[in-house]
Amino acid sequence: NAGVTQTPKFQVLKTGQSMTLQCAQDMNHEYMSWYRQDPGMGLRLIHYSVGAGITDQGEVPNGYNVSRSTTEDFPLRLLSAAPSQTSVYFCASSSASSYNEQFFGPGTRLTVL
Amino acid sequence: AQSVTQLDSQVPVFEEAPVELRCNYSSSVSVYLFWYVQYPNQGLQLLLKYLSGSTLVKGINGFEAEFNKSQTSFHLRKPSVHISDTAEYFCAVSGFSGGSNYKLTFGKGTLLTVNP
Repeated sequence: NAGVTQTPKFQVLKTGQSMTLQCAQDMNHEYMSWYRQDPGMGLRLIHYSVGAGITDQGEVPNGYNVSRSTTEDFPLRLLSAAPSQTSVYFCASSSASSYNEQFFGPGTRLTVL
Repeated sequence: AQSVTQLDSQVPVFEEAPVELRCNYSSSVSVYLFWYVQYPNQGLQLLLKYLSGSTLVKGINGFEAEFNKSQTSFHLRKPSVHISDTAEYFCAVSGFSGGSNYKLTFGKGTLLTVNP
């Protein structure tokens, strides 16, 4: 099992560019989430999904879109990047029967110039 | 709604000393509690969890935590730390009531630095 994988590991964008952060899991987990980590802020939930075709907003959803067409994949799209979106992004997944024990990917470090 | 407060942003200790990282939570429903560890430039790894039952839970690497419902706390402890324990530690809470048991709320983290 690869667990939760994320690509790319690093990315530099210019303001206004768009991109998609990829996330995949091979554990057949129902739940998937995207977080951003900023110094001194902990992890904040951006969007989450409880199953294919079902997504919802978290604490900081503005500027991001998600979709979940399969159980395995949960991409995060930045529509028009802004310097405030410079952060480390983590994808996580959990099983509906695991009391929300989440498994995290290695993260994507994004810099927006 | 739920929230987590980690009372110390940084905790420096000497090797082989005991350590306690403090975490308080608030929630209007019953909770599951977690501690995660993040080593430099890595993702988060589960250290331990409280779901129900015994209030003292043991995790990996010699860490343990005690759930105190009356004080709404879940403090993390280790009797003797090593240099390799240097990392950031996050406390997290998940409420379970209806459809809310798939969102984790994290504290802001405590940076544990173990000095020789």
